[in-house]
Amino acid sequence: EAQVTQNPRYLITVTGKKLTVTCSQNMNHEYMSWYRQDPGLGLRQIYYSMNVEVTDKGDVPEGYKVSRKEKRNFPLILESPSPNQTSLYFCASSIGQGGSSPLHFGNGTRLTVT
Amino acid sequence: AQTVTQSQPEMSVQEAETVTLSCTYDTSESDYYLFWYKQPPSRQMILVIRQEAYKQQNATENRFSVNFQKAAKSFSLKISDSQLGDAAMYFCAYRRGSSNTGKLIFGQGTTLQVKP
Repeated sequence: EAQVTQNPRYLITVTGKKLTVTCSQNMNHEYMSWYRQDPGLGLRQIYYSMNVEVTDKGDVPEGYKVSRKEKRNFPLILESPSPNQTSLYFCASSIGQGGSSPLHFGNGTRLTVT
Repeated sequence: AQTVTQSQPEMSVQEAETVTLSCTYDTSESDYYLFWYKQPPSRQMILVIRQEAYKQQNATENRFSVNFQKAAKSFSLKISDSQLGDAAMYFCAYRRGSSNTGKLIFGQGTTLQVKP
């Protein structure tokens, strides 16, 4: 089944403790991206990747890192999480970065930083 | 910069009735795509419908249809014969046709309640 898989679904951590949210897609998509969802703000892009080893910042990149060593994987890294990073996170992928390629989303990761 | 606005934080509809969710957007681009995504309580983001800006004909998918008014920059979603399973948060989104970031720009979302 074609899908984007994120893990974990839920994560509770403390301020400053490094964490990684994994994302993997099995559709051979070139483009991958991370979003965060906050009430009243919709979803906002954190980072994106056009292809292997090509990543760039989105609208809200502060406090996050990503890597794209393989085409299928695009982990989101929080080196020193803070409470303002408590949010719902989505990984997404598409064939290309143009509008004609619909984004496929993972099932989300609910992160709480205390 | 492109923006997407959903001015209705919450809507409700009686089962089997019709409801329309509003969305406006702002862009100076001519090549773009518009989307409606559904997010049920399971949090999954489900693509409901897509509209290409160059197409004049409004997109339809079963009980879901859009009213795309390009000059007014309006993109509303109509749900006919509403069902309990339609209860969810709905997001309107915009993506440039040729984008160097691939960014999907989302509205704030509208929570739809369906009453039995």
